Amino acid sequence: DQQVKQNSPSLSVQEGRISILNCDYTNSMFDYFLWYKKYPAEGPTFLISISSIKDKNEDGRFTVFLNKSAKHLSLHIVPSQPGDSAVYFCAASVANFGNEKLTFGTGTRLTIIP
Amino acid sequence: DVKVTQSSRYLVKRTGEKVFLECVQDMDHENMFWYRQDPGLGLRLIYFSYDVKMKEKGDIPEGYSVSREKKERFSLILESASTNQTSMYLCASRREWGTDTQYFGPGTRLTVL
Repeated sequence: DQQVKQNSPSLSVQEGRISILNCDYTNSMFDYFLWYKKYPAEGPTFLISISSIKDKNEDGRFTVFLNKSAKHLSLHIVPSQPGDSAVYFCAASVANFGNEKLTFGTGTRLTIIP
Repeated sequence: DVKVTQSSRYLVKRTGEKVFLECVQDMDHENMFWYRQDPGLGLRLIYFSYDVKMKEKGDIPEGYSVSREKKERFSLILESASTNQTSMYLCASRREWGTDTQYFGPGTRLTVL
C-alpha cells in the first residue's frame, strides 16, 4: 500500500526552464512533508519541507506547494540547472508523533538538458 | 557538517550467511534509522532507534534485526541472508525526536547470491 506516490518515474527539462515534480498521498493524517534529493552513489540530502499549516514554502530556486484538499504536493525548481539532475523523493510524516517515521515516495529522476 | 558513514559501499554475500551492516554518525544524534531502497518502491523503513538500546520496527522489519549499544553506532543484521534482501541499504540519523531533517549515509549495495 503506497501511501506516498510519485507517478512520474522520470522527467526531462531544458536548462533554465521550470521543473515541476509532483507527489500525491493517501493518508490524511500526514501533516508534514519533505523533499529529498539523491545523486548516484550518495545518500539522499534534505532539500525543503512544508507543514500542513502552510500551502507554500520557498527557499531560493526551490518552492514546495501543498494542496491539502487534493492531497497533493509539488516541488518547483526555477530556473533549472544541470546540477539539479538527480532523483527526487517526497516524504511525509505525522508531525504529532515527532516525525520519527518518514514515508517516502518512489522517486522521480529529473534530468536537466543543457 | 553531519557525517554518517556506512562500513561498506558494496557487499556480496551468499544465501544463509549472517550479514552485519554498520552505520556511524559523528554528531551525537539520538535517532538513527535503517532503510532499503529498491527500484519502483522508494525508500522503506526497516528499523529505527530513538536512543541507545532502544529500537522500533519500521514498515518492513521481517528478516532483519538491529543493535544500538552506543549512541553513535547503529547496526543492521540480516540473520540469514536471502536473495530478496539484495538491495541498497541506507542509514540515517536525526538530532532528536521532534526535529525534521534526517541525514543519510552514502548507502551499502548488498548483493545476496
